[in-house]
Amino acid sequence: QVQLVQSGAEVRKPGSSVKVSCKASGGTFGNYAISWVRQAPGQGLAWMGGIIPMFGTPNYAQKFQGRVTITRDEPTSTTYMDLSSLRSEDTAMYYCALSSGASFGSGSRTWGQGTLVTVSS
Amino acid sequence: SYVLTQPPSVSVAPGQTATITCKETNIGSKSVHWYQQKPGQAPVLVVYDDSDRPSGIPERFSGSNSGNTATLTISRVEAGDEADYYCQLWDSSIDHVVFGGGTKLTVL
Repeated sequence: QVQLVQSGAEVRKPGSSVKVSCKASGGTFGNYAISWVRQAPGQGLAWMGGIIPMFGTPNYAQKFQGRVTITRDEPTSTTYMDLSSLRSEDTAMYYCALSSGASFGSGSRTWGQGTLVTVSS
Repeated sequence: SYVLTQPPSVSVAPGQTATITCKETNIGSKSVHWYQQKPGQAPVLVVYDDSDRPSGIPERFSGSNSGNTATLTISRVEAGDEADYYCQLWDSSIDHVVFGGGTKLTVL
């Protein structure tokens, strides 16, 4: 059973960027879609975007377009989410999630443990 | 604001049935998934493709989807079911995953 292991908590200053990693442990991503989802304190879930290995081209939510970059490294079964021009409102828990199919339309059965990103001057 | 409309909160006594709705125009034509999230934890998929359950999810969790409303039903509610619940779907018109705003289930 694949598990997703994310990198540790980060603290950044406004205007900077952060890169969060998500590594598949005990397997690979295969051709399953990988999503990044964020959750601000006390708020709901928001899809940021994702990538499907067989297609390679990432898909970004409009809200984050231009600030987020999602990449994958096949040999290490790791995906990365890079968020730039950080502001205080980006303080949130960031999750990676693996769909149960090769499309974002499938439910995500496997989630990372989350990475807390704090943006503060 | 969220495209998928969920009630902010639902309260139910132990042993009773909880019903959580997710509304959007013509949602019945899309596959809806439901997640349970407890405080400090990552979401857990409890229903996928409208009404299927992943392995390990109790039969007490069921789903349906028709017309403008998708529904998550939790039968014989237990204290351990207290959590936030989110609906989710893929909106092909905008090529985006969309989540509902979430519903806090309180077990009285």
